[in-house]
Amino acid sequence: EVQLVESGGTLVRPGESLRLSCGSSGFTFSSYPMSWVRQAPGQGLQWVSTISTGGGDMYYVDSVKGRFTISRDKYMLYLQMHSLRAEDTAVYYCAKGYFNDLSASLDYWGPGTLVTVSS
Amino acid sequence: QAVLTQPPSVSGAPWQRVTISCSGSSSNIGQNSVNWYQQLPGKAPKLLIFYDNLLPSGVSDRFSGSKSGTSGSLAIRGLQSEDEANYYCAVWDDSVSGLVFGGGTKLTVL
Repeated sequence: EVQLVESGGTLVRPGESLRLSCGSSGFTFSSYPMSWVRQAPGQGLQWVSTISTGGGDMYYVDSVKGRFTISRDKYMLYLQMHSLRAEDTAVYYCAKGYFNDLSASLDYWGPGTLVTVSS
Repeated sequence: QAVLTQPPSVSGAPWQRVTISCSGSSSNIGQNSVNWYQQLPGKAPKLLIFYDNLLPSGVSDRFSGSKSGTSGSLAIRGLQSEDEANYYCAVWDDSVSGLVFGGGTKLTVL
């Protein structure tokens, strides 16, 4: 059974840094692109970042470029976040690509981890 | 403001059929396939439709998708109370090299 579980969400102050992790099991992690998607309280879904199967290609939404870095190792997905802002407050989901190429098809999602940025 | 445009809300009576539209542009829907997600209250999104009109294993065939030009559409037939949720379309957008979502549509079963 495919499982994704995020961790690392917490309350931080504006300007601080935080690293989110996503543990995987039940599939060949290295064979699929992985993404982070966030959802601000009461709002819709917003794509944050995607990393290719080998980790060599990373893509980001404009609002996080230069502040967030996506990475992966053998079984884990990460999101390093710097210079956090109030507008980064959201539930962050990690999601598995359905295919081994880049697309908007994300077939498994974790339950999410809440990041709150507030003074 | 979302790149893909969806109606904020739709409603229908039990057993009726409803459709949700998703309007995009040549750089997203015009070039790549449309996906649809269902998000139940307090839950993570679930993939409902991929490649414009294909259903992942386990998804009810009451759901169907279509695409024409730069617009996509999700249809739900035989509405049930359990279908009450938010629905999002999503596409890879070549102009931003990233994934874009619609603003979401809240479905209410009357």
